[in-house]
Amino acid sequence: DTGVSQDPRHKITKRGQNVTFRCDPISEHNRLYWYRQTLGQGPEFLTYFQNEAQLEKSRLLSDRFSAERPKGSFSTLEIQRTEQGDSAMYLCASSLWGSPGYTFGSGTRLTVV
Amino acid sequence: DQQVKQNSPSLSVQEGRISILNCDYTNSMFDYFLWYKKYPAEGPTFLISISSIKDKNEDGRFTVFLNKSAKHLSLHIVPSQPGDSAVYFCAASGYNAGNMLTFGGGTRLMVKP
Repeated sequence: DTGVSQDPRHKITKRGQNVTFRCDPISEHNRLYWYRQTLGQGPEFLTYFQNEAQLEKSRLLSDRFSAERPKGSFSTLEIQRTEQGDSAMYLCASSLWGSPGYTFGSGTRLTVV
Repeated sequence: DQQVKQNSPSLSVQEGRISILNCDYTNSMFDYFLWYKKYPAEGPTFLISISSIKDKNEDGRFTVFLNKSAKHLSLHIVPSQPGDSAVYFCAASGYNAGNMLTFGGGTRLMVKP
């Protein structure tokens, strides 16, 4: 068990470009979550998967954002046509159904210039 | 509309003394509460939790108290150690919320040697 892995750790991109982040959860965890954290704020929920099904999406997740979890294993979060307001730490977490505590990854810090 | 609030952005405590971190919530549907600790450049780490059917939960130096009538919870750390210096987030979830967590804005704890 190597914990939740996120790649890359840092990403700098120009406004208007597309970016994709990857999350590898703990292997036996069937729930996977994406959160976003901006400076001085707590993490904000974006979306979550139970196995491969995306069960809920926040209204924060605009049409430019899309998340997938093919085969219920790793997940990707893509942001199209990035804007400066997308600059944040993107956190992935996983858990077992029925277990209230998540295990978070170290996050991907996105900077849009 | 912040449903979970941590009104103290920072707290400074002397080593060996008690640290008390506070959290207020507004949503009466919340029935499970958690505290996370976050070091720089790392994801949040689960610390301790409490169900709404309890008013106290203890784990070593950490105790969480829940006052449902006041919609208030607190985290006590006794005795505080320099290694406890971190940002602490309280979080809440509700029944059938898919384990989605709503986080407060965090309190930075500094424990001085």
